[in-house]
Amino acid sequence: GQNIDQPTEMTATEGAIVQINCTYQTSGFNGLFWYQQHAGEAPTFLSYNVLDGLEEKGRFSSFLSRSKGYSYLLLKELQMKDSASYLCVSYPGGKLIFGQGTELSVKP
Amino acid sequence: GAVVSQHPSRVICKSGTSVKIECRSLDFQATTMFWYRQFPKKSLMLMATSNEGSKATYEQGVEKDKFLINHASLTLSTLTVTSAHPEDSSFYICSAPVRRPNKDGYTFGSGTRLTVV
Repeated sequence: GQNIDQPTEMTATEGAIVQINCTYQTSGFNGLFWYQQHAGEAPTFLSYNVLDGLEEKGRFSSFLSRSKGYSYLLLKELQMKDSASYLCVSYPGGKLIFGQGTELSVKP
Repeated sequence: GAVVSQHPSRVICKSGTSVKIECRSLDFQATTMFWYRQFPKKSLMLMATSNEGSKATYEQGVEKDKFLINHASLTLSTLTVTSAHPEDSSFYICSAPVRRPNKDGYTFGSGTRLTVV
């Protein structure tokens, strides 16, 4: 079966750094995605990890530890527009299985 | 590139009627299309996987006769909500894998907000 856990809500200050954690239990692990979704819009792709370690893409970085079933998304230099839901997504057998999402609020 | 166009973006229908939602891949061939529904402040729930030229695969608990999926061509997949009821009101969204999912992820349609009155 598939089980993904991430915090429901987080709040951070503009300009700061925030880390959103995700733990997963999945059969047929084939990598982990992070997506961003603004309310009422489609999710947009942020990152994909299949090997252990850190992947950096500008202000966003994603980390994976397969042995621990753990991932995190790191957002640096937070901007107001980063207020959104961040979805940890497993990828077993070619399907995307979404976690509940973490609603991030960025305050001035 | 890799755009999926989803229509309509919003639809209001009466109870008992049927609604068809279309997803078209504009610049690539989508042999597979995933259909999700999302309740307010909840995550996306996979409903079914459609494959061009074959029957859709439904997730456990999803009624096949209520949510009819057709994938008749490499660029068009449709979801028809039949005999809609107010509890079917939701945000429906389609998604297709792009050529390199690990580099570009999956591409999503813009979603359809269905309200059944």
